Amino acid sequence: DAGITQSPRHKVTETGTPVTLRCHQTENHRYMYWYRQDPGHGLRLIHYSYGVKDTDKGEVSDGYSVSRSKTEDFLLTLESATSSQTSVYFCAISVWLAGGTGELFFGEGSRLTVL
Amino acid sequence: ILNVEQSPQSLHVQEGDSTNFTCSFPSSNFYALHWYRWETAKSPEALFVMTLNGDEKKKGRISATPNTKEGYSYLYIKGSQPEDSATYLCAFYGNNRLAFGKGNQVVVIP
Repeated sequence: DAGITQSPRHKVTETGTPVTLRCHQTENHRYMYWYRQDPGHGLRLIHYSYGVKDTDKGEVSDGYSVSRSKTEDFLLTLESATSSQTSVYFCAISVWLAGGTGELFFGEGSRLTVL
Repeated sequence: ILNVEQSPQSLHVQEGDSTNFTCSFPSSNFYALHWYRWETAKSPEALFVMTLNGDEKKKGRISATPNTKEGYSYLYIKGSQPEDSATYLCAFYGNNRLAFGKGNQVVVIP
């Protein structure tokens, strides 16, 4: 158990409303990631963070913003949700291994439906 | 965008049979390759992490071989069991991030 919790786990919202998903970790890992999972696309990186207030875009960042004001929390915000953002969102942390790469540990996912 | 391709997309395997599937990735600037196992209604979990000079990795009946020069890796399941049914994700590590393929969905038929 890598101590990752996501909230909310399920959310239904309407088009145009703002939505914030929260990822919380208990082990002070530096790198945190937000992915979305859609049928036929696998896992696609939205944004990631490499420290407090240090974030960068992934491959599908349009329509999303992130913030990391403290090590343990990484927030994903949809400023104005659209139906194309209906998805399952996974947060992950990277645990560094010998050899210089990081193994990902995932949260349980947040299912978002935008009507 | 790092291009990671997995084939076949899905496969059905008879219980007891062995199977394998392929992940191809950029062979230049190789840093690490990961394999994750993803069971339905759960979160992905790491199976193997292979670095540049890594050899074959093995966990029980599942093994993975990397060919970093030519840019591919095989995941091999020996004597498939129903509990092996899952989606197997390959991911290429570069620039502090993992780029995932779309996965190989394996269904083991009892």
